[in-house]
This record gives sequence, structure tokens and C-alpha cells, in this order.
Amino acid sequence: KAGVTQTPRYLIKTRGQQVTLSCSPISGHRSVSWYQQTPGQGLQFLFEYFSETQRNKGNFPGRFSGRQFSNSRSEMNVSTLELGDSALYLCASSLSTFNEQFFGPGTRLTVL
Amino acid sequence: KQEVTQIPAALSVPEGENLVLNCSFTDSAIYNLQWFRQDPGKGLTSLLLIQSSQREQTSGRLNASLDKSSGRSTLYIAASQPGDSATYLCAVARGTGNQFYFGTGTSLTVIP
Repeated sequence: KAGVTQTPRYLIKTRGQQVTLSCSPISGHRSVSWYQQTPGQGLQFLFEYFSETQRNKGNFPGRFSGRQFSNSRSEMNVSTLELGDSALYLCASSLSTFNEQFFGPGTRLTVL
Repeated sequence: KQEVTQIPAALSVPEGENLVLNCSFTDSAIYNLQWFRQDPGKGLTSLLLIQSSQREQTSGRLNASLDKSSGRSTLYIAASQPGDSATYLCAVARGTGNQFYFGTGTSLTVIP
């Protein structure tokens, strides 16, 4: 079966702009989580959506937001981009709670 | 807050050697622990998931153990191969939902 897909794979933006990233989970999976990966901070949890509801939120500013649709696809939005937002953004899907998580290939965001 | 540490940060071994990667966490109230590998610039590939009630899991040449009371997990790789070269990450889940706390990873190089 198809894995987790993320679009776009690469993005270049300038400071102050906003960006929307998309994640399509494995068919049947209801949980979608988002992570930010940087060389300095490693992998950090952004938020998780389950059945269209945000269930957990990490310690990120309000510029980072997300949503989940009825088909479990999820989007993440970052407004007023800063240079420090340059990172690999990873999406993970899971069948439900405490099940194995499967990650997508990520979206590489570069902020100039 | 859950802190996850992985030792060593980097490891270089000759092909065929058996090796052990270590993961420790500060809060033993976890729900599960998952091991991943990450190839450069790529997403995470799930290797093994250990539920909190389990002591170990095996998949092929990989064996992962979990000792919640001491806050430790080990990933044993038998008969290492050059294709095993990657960064190995452990992640623990606690609280509600699928929020994972990641370690900083062990970069493994297997020399032919």
C-alpha cells in the first residue's frame, strides 16, 4: 500500500512570507503528526491531529498551525516566516494511538 | 519533560561486526518506544516498535529491548552490512496521543 506522501518536497521562501505544507497519510490512518528537524535541535514535535481534532501541541509559536480534513489529509501552515524556520518538516501517520508511526519523505523548507 | 539520550553519537565498525546502540530516557512512564533509521536527507524508516508491556522485539538481524524501570532501550544489529550505514533514532511516546520525544541519534558507518 502507498506510504505517507508529502508535498511539496522542496520550498524556498523569503522572510515574512507564509507557507502551507501538505501530508497524505497511509490509507486508514487517522492520526497525523508533524515534526521539525534541524541540525541544532534535532527532531521536535509540532502537533498531532486525530479525527480532525488537534490532540497534542508542541512548544512552537502560534505562527505554526495545522488542520486535518475528513479524509485524514493534513496541512501545516507557517506564517511570517523567519530564517530559523528553515528545516526539514516531517509528517507521520499512525492507525490510532500508540501504534507504529510511519514517516513521509519530508518537505525541505529554506527561508532566505 | 522527557529527555532522550543516545550513546554513542557516532560509531564506525567493520562489516560483519555485531553492535549495540543505546537509548536512555528520563521519564519511565512511557507508552511505547520506536526505533527508526534515517538516511541522509530522507525521512524516517520504522525499524521496531516496543509497547510498554513488552521487553523486546525482533525483526531479521535487529533486536530491540526495553527496560522501563531503568529508562533504557538497546538496539542490537547482528552481522552489520554497509547498507546499515545510517543515523539511528529512538523515540518514546508518553501522555495522550502520539507525541514522540526523539533522541539525537547515533550515526552508524559500516566499513566494507
